[in-house]
Amino acid sequence: GAGVSQSPSNKVTEKGKDVELRCDPISGHTALYWYRQSLGQGLEFLIYFQGNSAPDKSGLPSDRFSAERTGGSVSTLTIQRTQQEDSAVYLCASTTRTSLSGELFFGEGSRLTVL
Amino acid sequence: AQSVAQPEDQVNVAEGNPLTVKCTYSVSGNPYLFWYVQYPNRGLQFLLKYITGDNLVKGSYGFEAEFNKSQTSFHLKKPSALVSDSALYFCAVSLSGSARQLTFGSGTQLTVLP
Repeated sequence: GAGVSQSPSNKVTEKGKDVELRCDPISGHTALYWYRQSLGQGLEFLIYFQGNSAPDKSGLPSDRFSAERTGGSVSTLTIQRTQQEDSAVYLCASTTRTSLSGELFFGEGSRLTVL
Repeated sequence: AQSVAQPEDQVNVAEGNPLTVKCTYSVSGNPYLFWYVQYPNRGLQFLLKYITGDNLVKGSYGFEAEFNKSQTSFHLKKPSALVSDSALYFCAVSLSGSARQLTFGSGTQLTVLP
């Protein structure tokens, strides 16, 4: 497709279960970002991938969170042993440029609900 | 450290009236400033950006924003609001030339009343 694709769009899970969220960026985009959007709050940066460089993981809130990007394209965000406070919308974005003079292109997000 | 403040959680305006959504920033260097809009159940969409040059930046859907360095502000404006402009608006800042992540504000819910 032409845009950033995220799946699943909605995920309901039980506390303690692991979840995987997928992001398929726009073809040719070298930079990929994961953000978390909680109700009533802004976007919280989680992790940033740029080409083959080591990812910037400085925003991951705990060691239960991890992400990988295979082949410089598709990315998976994994949350282990989910907690209720992990409930949020997880947004993925990609862009063509290494600097932020270019805009980010966002997917529609994956809404995670932890019961 | 860089930060963005959107002092209003909610802005209501009548259709046809001018609208302003406020944003102030703090960054130690030259800022890259952005506005994004989020419609219900959708991802964020880019509206406009300021990198350098003219302080008044024009963007999508008739929106514009004014960069004011002395007041460290980047308010979003539109001369005549439409009901379809109702959405969540985010201001964001980044250091110039930086490949690091944007810092987003907490968002302002704009409601345009018919």
